[in-house]
Amino acid sequence: QVQLVQSGTEVKKPGSSVKVSCKASGGTLNSHSINWVRRAPGQGLEWMGRIIPILGIAHSAQHFQDRVTIAADTSSSTAFMELTSLRSEDTAIYFCAGSTGEGLGAFDVWGQGTMVTVSS
Amino acid sequence: DVVMTQTPLSSPVTLGQPASMSCRSSQSLVHSDGNTYLSWLQQRPGQPPRLLIYKISNRVSGVPDRFSGSGAGTDFTLNISRVEAEDVGVYYCMQATHFPPVTFGGGTKVEIK
Repeated sequence: QVQLVQSGTEVKKPGSSVKVSCKASGGTLNSHSINWVRRAPGQGLEWMGRIIPILGIAHSAQHFQDRVTIAADTSSSTAFMELTSLRSEDTAIYFCAGSTGEGLGAFDVWGQGTMVTVSS
Repeated sequence: DVVMTQTPLSSPVTLGQPASMSCRSSQSLVHSDGNTYLSWLQQRPGQPPRLLIYKISNRVSGVPDRFSGSGAGTDFTLNISRVEAEDVGVYYCMQATHFPPVTFGGGTKVEIK
């Protein structure tokens, strides 16, 4: 089964941007949708958005709409999530999660997570 | 957006005893295609979430059969028949019926007494 491998830990200043990558290993992104989910310290899971790489169609959560960009490069089987205008509340572990089955309606493959710390 | 409410927040359990947790949605999760896209995930400490159950009651390959899901409409339950030490973590329900957005419950923490 495909595995998702994410980029490493990031430390950012407030007001800056972060870009996290998610590469498919042992397969491609072509048959998947890739979602981005974050978990802030002491909080639960929060969905940020999704892309269907083969179609290039992306949706973002209203909460992030102006600050998040979700993209994918099918040639390298890599998805990206960029979050701008960072603030301390964006400190969290960011996960990519794939839905690999037709009509699954669930996230059955997860990346290992990328810790993003926003601090002055 | 669909609000997912999980209870209890925390569930201290004795090893070998059952555990049960509830997830309630603010509206029916039956999709127009007839499916109910309600899933359960487990997040062990320091690990990414792991899908246990999808479409209410379908167990993912490799998930022990002590985990079972049930429910319909707006009320759903995850049961663990006999809790083992490796089951410690936070359990989340998730709905994908009313997309976008996907929404999660706040989580139920399972810990050993």
